[in-house]
This record gives sequence, C-alpha cells and structure tokens, in this order.
Amino acid sequence: EVQLLQSGGGLVQPGGSLRLSCAASGFTFGSYTMGWVRRAPGEGLEWLSDINNSGSRTYYADSVKGRFTISRDNSKNTLYLQMNSLRAEDTAIYYCAKAGSISWYNVWGQGTMVIVSS
Amino acid sequence: DILMTQSPSSLSASVGDRVTITCRARRGIRNYVAWYQEKPGSAPKLLIYDASTLHSGVPSRFSGSGSGTDFTLTINNLQPEDAATYYCQKYDGAPLTFGGGTKVEIK
Repeated sequence: EVQLLQSGGGLVQPGGSLRLSCAASGFTFGSYTMGWVRRAPGEGLEWLSDINNSGSRTYYADSVKGRFTISRDNSKNTLYLQMNSLRAEDTAIYYCAKAGSISWYNVWGQGTMVIVSS
Repeated sequence: DILMTQSPSSLSASVGDRVTITCRARRGIRNYVAWYQEKPGSAPKLLIYDASTLHSGVPSRFSGSGSGTDFTLTINNLQPEDAATYYCQKYDGAPLTFGGGTKVEIK
C-alpha cells in the first residue's frame, strides 16, 4: 500500500524551529517529486515547496522562502521540512504529498498540526 | 505569480443536481490543472489531473475540462458524500498555486 506517514508537528513559540518528517512506503520514493502543502485554520490550501526526485532542485512559495527548507533522504525514504523563524501565521495543518508524473499530488500524508504561539 | 481565481466560493445544491466550479488563470497554463476534494478531518484527495484526466478510483460523475486560462470541474448527479471543499491547482511551474476553494453543501 502506498503510504506517507508524517511526524514532527506540535506547539512552538514564535521565532522557534520545527522539523517535519514524512516517511514513504509502498512505492519507489527516489523516483518521484515530493511536496509540502498547508491549510491554516479557516483558510484554503497553500502550496509551500517541492523537491525533485534526486533532491537537486527545490522550489518555494514566497511566504516561506528563506525560512523553510525542504530536503529528502532517498536512502531512508523520508521527506523533511525544516521550519525556522516560525510566525503565528504559520499555524496550520501541514501535509506532505507525492507527485504523479508532473506536480499534481496523488498521495497525501495524514497531516500534522503546527501551532505557533507563546 | 499566476493566481488561480476560483468561483463560486460556496454553493448549495440538491442531490442529483449538476454542479460546476470554475478556475481562471491570469495567463495560459496549457492543461496543467488538477482538482482536489477536501473533507473536514481528512487529507485532500486528487480527483482530476491534466485538466480532464480522471484519477484512478474517482467516480465517473466527476469530470474536468478546459485549457489555457479557463478550467471547469463538473459534478453530475450530486451525491450526499460529495459535500466537501474543492480546489483547483496549477502545476505549469512554481509556485504551484491553489485556487481559493469552493465549499459544496447539500440542500
């Protein structure tokens, strides 16, 4: 079964850091682009970042550029999102997702909640 | 950046109705549009990609059309389980912007 299992969310103070993980199983992880998407309370989906299959190319939304870093370890079948300088507006459910042949997302993680609050 | 303007933001329809949701891009993005369904407490699910290709396992009452700047998601014979929020997404290149969402309620 194709699956993405997320971990690493929680409560963090403004200005703090958090790393999200997304463990993949059931498919050849190193063959696919992966991404992160979030949904803030009462808001719509927001695309955050993509990384190509080898990890050599990364892309970011302006809202997180310079603060968030996407990475992957193909030997561990795991995707990461390092989040620094967190702000209250980063409070959201964060999803990892597997891309299909292009960057539409056909498999999603279960989501993990990140709350940025003092 | 290319915004994806999605409309309406919400709608209410009866079981058996046909529902149409539209997304408009500021400039042409060929057929690089996907549609997703999101229900409370669950991760989004892919419905349509490449503007009109039905994802595996998605009921055939869902269909997509369009190319260039204007795209449409149609739900024929609306069912109670279709109550959800629907999003379009462009993927011609970063940023992979989502539309604002359309909340579909069943009367």
